[in-house]
Amino acid sequence: GAVVSQHPSRVICKSGTSVKIECRSLDFQATTMFWYRQFPKQSLMLMATSNEGSKATYEQGVEKDKFLINHASLTLSTLTVTSAHPEDSSFYICSAVAGGNTGELFFGEGSRLTVL
Amino acid sequence: GENVEQHPSTLSVQEGDSAVIKCTYSDSASNYFPWYKQELGKGPQLIIDIRSNVGEKKDQRIAVTLNKTAKHFSLHITETQPEDSAVYFCAAPAYQAGTALIFGKGTTLSVSS
Repeated sequence: GAVVSQHPSRVICKSGTSVKIECRSLDFQATTMFWYRQFPKQSLMLMATSNEGSKATYEQGVEKDKFLINHASLTLSTLTVTSAHPEDSSFYICSAVAGGNTGELFFGEGSRLTVL
Repeated sequence: GENVEQHPSTLSVQEGDSAVIKCTYSDSASNYFPWYKQELGKGPQLIIDIRSNVGEKKDQRIAVTLNKTAKHFSLHITETQPEDSAVYFCAAPAYQAGTALIFGKGTTLSVSS
């Protein structure tokens, strides 16, 4: 299957700082990527849709000014958690569609954010 | 938008037994139903999927069945092994347009030897 890579896999930051998470499609181009958040023992919740060259589309209840998404190329999307607080601590996972609009989503390995 | 319900939330089986996880969806227009396996601390991995033009798909020990009339689909794992222990999620398209997925709440499968 297609490979999606995330970096960093783990990050610890102080409250009030910003953290950037990168999501790369390694062997395919992705015009669309998705960002999910997963709290412990819960399901994946869709945060936003990242479109290459245009603004991201955010799900209801997700603050676009807090979770900045940039999809500057066909292989890279970034999620920046601004002014992070302890309640932002979570597992952030990106995904991308490979092979056109077939519906198959491939996920990255996730990034564990801990805000102290 | 779509709504996906998944059950059971936990499932314990003996090695060699079969395991079945069921999901229901609400949007009759949905046409793609994947299943993901997630191990602790890792991202979800696609294990099998089915599209609405077929009723069953099989890949070795894993199979998925789809009942469009009843709007439910199921994951079947036969001859379970300890390495099958993980959290399994079903999913369906979140919206009629686009490819974002909405996930069920997950099933924690434990296979004991």
